[in-house]
Amino acid sequence: AQRVTQPEKLLSVFKGAPVELKCNYSYSGSPELFWYVQYSRQRLQLLLRHISRESIKGFTADLNKGETSFHLKKPFAQEEDSAMYYCALSGTGGGADGLTFGKGTHLIIQP
Amino acid sequence: KAGVTQTPRYLIKTRGQQVTLSCSPISGHRSVSWYQQTPGQGLQFLFEYFSETQRNKGNFPGRFSGRQFSNSRSEMNVSTLELGDSALYLCASSADLGANVLTFGAGSRLTVL
Repeated sequence: AQRVTQPEKLLSVFKGAPVELKCNYSYSGSPELFWYVQYSRQRLQLLLRHISRESIKGFTADLNKGETSFHLKKPFAQEEDSAMYYCALSGTGGGADGLTFGKGTHLIIQP
Repeated sequence: KAGVTQTPRYLIKTRGQQVTLSCSPISGHRSVSWYQQTPGQGLQFLFEYFSETQRNKGNFPGRFSGRQFSNSRSEMNVSTLELGDSALYLCASSADLGANVLTFGAGSRLTVL
């Protein structure tokens, strides 16, 4: 069974400090990994996906198959980064089981 | 372009009743997925519809069902409601079957008393 673990329910950092939100997964094949974000009073939305290999709003995430991790990083946090962040996994086969989400990490950026 | 629209946004039911939730996807999106979000279990996949057919299903009892219409609008139904069905039900649309770039709606918050 596929599983996504986000070990931190809450992460608080100061503005300008580096941010790393951890995500570990369990899946026997080659998964596709995503980060979704929900800002206050907004809808859940896609932040980035590993196959795109792009930086969105200064965030990057690298898939480490050896450590089965997909940590989200940003070198300098901004107050507008405060939000709920969800790591999600899709197994191969066109998402036959939908997306498997982690429980989420609430990121708070303090001024 | 209008986003994913879910109705109703809030509803209260009692145990044993049934409920129907509606979702209108983004124009041109043909796939609609449903997720249940609760504080304890987080976001869990319910099912995905594409071309009016259920293509994928999560691990939920048969009381949870859905359908999709020819215009891609979708409804989900929960029969014989239980207290544990209280949750935020999220609908998401995507352009194709199994695509994982999902656009979510605001959700329908169901409270079962």
